[in-house]
Amino acid sequence: EAGVAQSPRYKIIEKRQSVAFWCNPISGHATLYWYQQILGQGPKLLIQFQNNGVVDDSQLPKDRFSAERLKGVDSTLKIQPAKLEDSAVYLCASSLGNRGGNYNEQFFGPGTRLTVL
Amino acid sequence: AQKITQTQPGMFVQEKEAVTLDCTYDTSDQSYGLFWYKQPSSGEMIFLIYQGSYDEQNATEGRYSLNFQKARKSANLVISASQLGDSAMYFCAMREGLGGSGSARQLTFGSGTQLTVLP
Repeated sequence: EAGVAQSPRYKIIEKRQSVAFWCNPISGHATLYWYQQILGQGPKLLIQFQNNGVVDDSQLPKDRFSAERLKGVDSTLKIQPAKLEDSAVYLCASSLGNRGGNYNEQFFGPGTRLTVL
Repeated sequence: AQKITQTQPGMFVQEKEAVTLDCTYDTSDQSYGLFWYKQPSSGEMIFLIYQGSYDEQNATEGRYSLNFQKARKSANLVISASQLGDSAMYFCAMREGLGGSGSARQLTFGSGTQLTVLP
């Protein structure tokens, strides 16, 4: 079974530029999560999708971050314009969602490491 | 308020010895799940073990076991017979809710413990 795919793996941009990240979840996984992990901290949820609908985006800085999951499969996360404090690893995860039972493990992709100069 | 607290920023253990990584949590929910993930320097998050709030027995997965003390709200990870490959960052996480839509909720992570296994 293929895991969660993310691209690019690394990205370096200057502040005020735009950047986009792509995630392809495990086939059949209804729920998709984007987490931001700042160096030395645990991951923090940015946005959660159930199929192609947003479940939770309360911690997404909506003035600069946007995300979509068209057709309920892969997803893109965009930052426009980027700030220095956006330097972090952006992790995508997926799970079976409501059908996953109590366990309902989240599977993580390898992440995209963003550096904003 | 911190929902997940990991008080050990770094830990050292001798190869083949056991080590305990501490985790305390805070929730008013009765239904929740606790997870431990391993993050090597390569960056991927690797699931290790899960404990549901209603599970009566402590979870075990190979060399990993979870010391679940519900009244104290602690969920410590025990790694037995440490190996050099266990050197990594370890995160404790909690999901509030079980079953149905509850099990699809976000994970809240602690700040992690960097474990170094010495030869």
